[in-house]
Amino acid sequence: KNQVEQSPQSLIILEGKNCTLQCNYTVSPFSNLRWYKQDTGRGPVSLTIMTFSENTKSNGRYTATLDADTKQSSLHITASQLSDSASYICVVSGGGTNAGKSTFGDGTTLTVKP
Amino acid sequence: GAVVSQHPSRVICKSGTSVKIECRSLDFQATTMFWYRQFPKKSLMLMATSNEGSKATYEQGVEKDKFLINHASLTLSTLTVTSAHPEDSSFYICSAREQDSRARGYTFGSGTRLTVV
Repeated sequence: KNQVEQSPQSLIILEGKNCTLQCNYTVSPFSNLRWYKQDTGRGPVSLTIMTFSENTKSNGRYTATLDADTKQSSLHITASQLSDSASYICVVSGGGTNAGKSTFGDGTTLTVKP
Repeated sequence: GAVVSQHPSRVICKSGTSVKIECRSLDFQATTMFWYRQFPKKSLMLMATSNEGSKATYEQGVEKDKFLINHASLTLSTLTVTSAHPEDSSFYICSAREQDSRARGYTFGSGTRLTVV
């Protein structure tokens, strides 16, 4: 069964600090992995998307890594800001026989405090 | 960039009535759109895949007669919650992907908060 597990479930950090969120998956065959940021009461907004051959991608203060061999990804947030408080969702899309199917993680809720 | 507009953002309706939610791709064509439901502090749960010009594909456990989906054009899909009950209260989100743009991922609408009283 295709699964995506995110950790931690929730995280509280002080403004200006860095943090790293984890995403482990079992989806196979694999097509791509996406990180989204979802503010409360809003739809998810794409941060990064990585395919099999990519192992790091940055979007401003957000840097995602991907190890397709160990099926792990991380999202690193640098110099956190209060506006980074949100839920971060990892989504893995399948390839081959799983093409077109996406599996969502339950998300990590990040709270940045002043 | 790709933009998906979802309307309304909030709606309150009485039990037994029907509610229609619209999802529009504003600057691209989407042959496929997706409808999700999200419970508090949980991730998105795929309800159905909306295909332009054909019937929607529903996930297991989702009642197709309860959640009517119409995808009449390449830029518009609608979800109608029929005979709504309080347990249908939830956050509904749509997403769409540009044609021939697998690498760009999906663009989500801003969501609709449905409250059935």
